[in-house]
Amino acid sequence: DTAVSQTPKYLVTQMGNDKSIKCEQNLGHDTMYWYKQDSKKFLKIMFSYNNKELIINETVPNRFSPKSPDKAHLNLHINSLELGDSAVYFCASSDGQIYNSPLHFGNGTRLTVT
Amino acid sequence: SQQGEEDPQALSIQEGENATMNCSYKTSINNLQWYRQNSGRGLVHLILIRSNEREKHSGRLRVTLDTSKKSSSLLITASRAADTASYFCATSHTGANSKLTFGKGITLSVRP
Repeated sequence: DTAVSQTPKYLVTQMGNDKSIKCEQNLGHDTMYWYKQDSKKFLKIMFSYNNKELIINETVPNRFSPKSPDKAHLNLHINSLELGDSAVYFCASSDGQIYNSPLHFGNGTRLTVT
Repeated sequence: SQQGEEDPQALSIQEGENATMNCSYKTSINNLQWYRQNSGRGLVHLILIRSNEREKHSGRLRVTLDTSKKSSSLLITASRAADTASYFCATSHTGANSKLTFGKGITLSVRP
């Protein structure tokens, strides 16, 4: 009965490869997010989708492309991976507007680019 | 930067003691939230306090908000070893496309 699940948990790949991370939530929430957490634990928003529509797109290289096939899923595809992409990526969801609702996080995907 | 800044960066206490963590921010907020992150896990929401609220409680947690000082504090009473984690404050600011911006976190160690 996991609320926000993302796969894979670990991803090790070489520079230049393309990879995807999948995220699903069974909470019935309208809004989903991708956050990136660096080695110093700093957490930064990357994207936000509301009912499959992109509403937040921070300054993220266009090698990162989110896709939301329905409001329960938000996947992240990364092209031409670079060493600096190594981080933990968290998917999250919320019910309603961000200024009223807490986020529910998945357990993260640790991406290591070698 | 809109992000909150937590203080101290690290805190080590004995089990049974209280832990107080602080967060300051720079621009007006809609709400402020505190999250906990255990090692290797995702963040877990603890408390949301709105800009028109001054104090909220949840079990052993007490959060205060002082909008005049643009600061918040999280108090954990009677700490337990299981409270060992990183704690983050996150702020939602007024304005279009409001998003939740996280601070850098506080590492709390509770010694048994």
